[in-house]
Amino acid sequence: DSGVTQTPKHLITATGQRVTLRCSPRSGDLSVYWYQQSLDQGLQFLIQYYNGEERAKGNILERFSAQQFPDLHSELNLSSLELGDSALYFCASSADRAQDTQYFGPGTRLTVL
Amino acid sequence: GENVEQHPSTLSVQEGDSAVIKCTYSDSASNYFPWYKQELGKGPQLIIDIRSNVGEKKDQRIAVTLNKTAKHFSLHITETQPEDSAVYFCAASNVLTGGGNKLTFGTGTQLKVEL
Repeated sequence: DSGVTQTPKHLITATGQRVTLRCSPRSGDLSVYWYQQSLDQGLQFLIQYYNGEERAKGNILERFSAQQFPDLHSELNLSSLELGDSALYFCASSADRAQDTQYFGPGTRLTVL
Repeated sequence: GENVEQHPSTLSVQEGDSAVIKCTYSDSASNYFPWYKQELGKGPQLIIDIRSNVGEKKDQRIAVTLNKTAKHFSLHITETQPEDSAVYFCAASNVLTGGGNKLTFGTGTQLKVEL
């Protein structure tokens, strides 16, 4: 157990809908990262937050957004969902020194029908 | 941006044999190289990592080597056991403009340890 928690574990929804994925980092970690894992794209970095502020952005679609709250938990919002958004979404956390180790949560499996 | 290539995509070994997985990276600014093990239905689990000022690191049956000049790093698992069967990912990380950092992952190696 990495200490990173994610909810829900599974999510099934329809095209065009909006969903929110939630992540709680390890105790003491200030940085949260979101990654998408799909069969065709592999593990891809989406976005990083540090202590409530966006720190780095990857290949995140404009339909997707994230935030980190004062208690350091983070939410990833996915809107106008398409079939191709079906994937595993992982959250990771680190203490956020440079090159700091990232610990991954168990993931949320999103299925868009 | 960074690009990480990983080989082989599948690897089958007999129990007790060694397994080697190799990765190359493109960005010479990358300075941190973790390896993750992912079992079915679970998130990636860090098994070992190496920083750019070190050439080799060992933890029991697992070792990682880094060649910065050639921009490649490798994972070595000795005395493999059935519970080593999983997908292994290499990754490279560097600090981005603005102070953030991200992991760029390889495409994964499916390791199967046969009895």
